[in-house]
Amino acid sequence: EAQVTQNPRYLITVTGKKLTVTCSQNMNHEYMSWYRQDPGLGLRQIYYSMNVEVTDKGDVPEGYKVSRKEKRNFPLILESPSPNQTSLYFCASSLDAYEETQYFGPGTRLLVL
Amino acid sequence: AQSVAQPEDQVNVAEGNPLTVKCTYSVSGNPYLFWYVQYPNRGLQFLLKYITGDNLVKGSYGFEAEFNKSQTSFHLKKPSALVSDSALYFCAVRDWGSSNTGKLIFGQGTTLQVKP
Repeated sequence: EAQVTQNPRYLITVTGKKLTVTCSQNMNHEYMSWYRQDPGLGLRQIYYSMNVEVTDKGDVPEGYKVSRKEKRNFPLILESPSPNQTSLYFCASSLDAYEETQYFGPGTRLLVL
Repeated sequence: AQSVAQPEDQVNVAEGNPLTVKCTYSVSGNPYLFWYVQYPNRGLQFLLKYITGDNLVKGSYGFEAEFNKSQTSFHLKKPSALVSDSALYFCAVRDWGSSNTGKLIFGQGTTLQVKP
């Protein structure tokens, strides 16, 4: 089944404790992206990747890092999480940056205490 | 700046009645418009899109949307609502901008509540 998977789905952590949220897609998509969803703000792009080893900042990149060593994986790294990073995170992918439809993972709900 | 607005935080309809979820947009150039739905504890699911062509676009689960260029709107509609349609709906526009980042710009979301 074609899908985007994320792990973990739920995470509670404390301020400053490094964490990684994994994202994987099995559709051989070149383009991948991370969004965060906050009430009343919709989804905002954090980082995106056009292809392997090519990543760039979105609208809200502060406090996040990403890597794209393989085509299928695009982990989101929070080196020192803070409470304002408590949010619902979605990974998305599409065939390329010009492909109209992006496919979203199930989401990761993060609580930073 | 490109933007999407969903003017209603919540829409309430009775089962069997028609529903409309509103969306307006502001973009430079030709808009690529999308509707996504989020069911509780689930990810975003693609419903439909408008790229070019017929202004009335049909999508999944009986939903359709009408693109209106003069009113810069892309309202989501369904002739007969089901209780199972209750969910959070997002309108989005593809941001081409000065360089193609592939970014989708989302509205703030509209909660649809369908009552039996």
